[in-house]
Amino acid sequence: DIQMTQSPSSLSASVGDRVTITCRASQSISRFLNWYQQKPGKAPKLLIYAASSLQSGVPSRFIGSGSGTDFTVTISSLQPEDSATYYCQQSYSTPLTFGGGTKVEIK
Amino acid sequence: QITLKESGPTLVKPTQTLTLTCTFSGFSLSTSGVGVGWIRQPPGKALEWLALIYWNDDKRYSPSLKSRLTITKDTSKNQVVFTMTNMDPVDTATYYCAHSLTVVGRCFDYWGQGTLVTVSS
Repeated sequence: DIQMTQSPSSLSASVGDRVTITCRASQSISRFLNWYQQKPGKAPKLLIYAASSLQSGVPSRFIGSGSGTDFTVTISSLQPEDSATYYCQQSYSTPLTFGGGTKVEIK
Repeated sequence: QITLKESGPTLVKPTQTLTLTCTFSGFSLSTSGVGVGWIRQPPGKALEWLALIYWNDDKRYSPSLKSRLTITKDTSKNQVVFTMTNMDPVDTATYYCAHSLTVVGRCFDYWGQGTLVTVSS
């Protein structure tokens, strides 16, 4: 199985800050990496697919990058509505696997 | 507009079999490249992928749970049925079904609202 490791597990930042979350795969997954945002009590929402493609309707402040084993999602200017938990997921091979999540809080 | 909704019991007893139905609209599971997956999330924990079925009836399962899982589709009813046998309290979780497209790298782009299943005697 491909293990996905996210860091940090949580962070606190101010509105307007630039925030970066990292996801590392245990082996190369090319660009088969997706990012989801989940708010309490809600289903996950796809933000970015194929490492850097922005899902329709997602604000352009969310920027995905990376390939191989190392990936990041950056929120260029943190907004209050970005408070949520973020998950990466590899879709290179089954079993599909998710990272442990990064909880983003607003100071 | 793609929508999915999970239905099934909210409470099951240990050793029982869980059967969940995902009823969807806005797409067909007979269209090339389309899939429907099941993902679960124990309270306060991370997401865990369970199973995926494709338009061509190709089925994939989590290896750690494979012996307990079955996924089937009924294209005429726009439904996917998921079963998990021998339920245990550790299987208490919110279970989601989600739409997937191979053309965009098998991400899950549309999700159901989820259904909380509690395993308790």
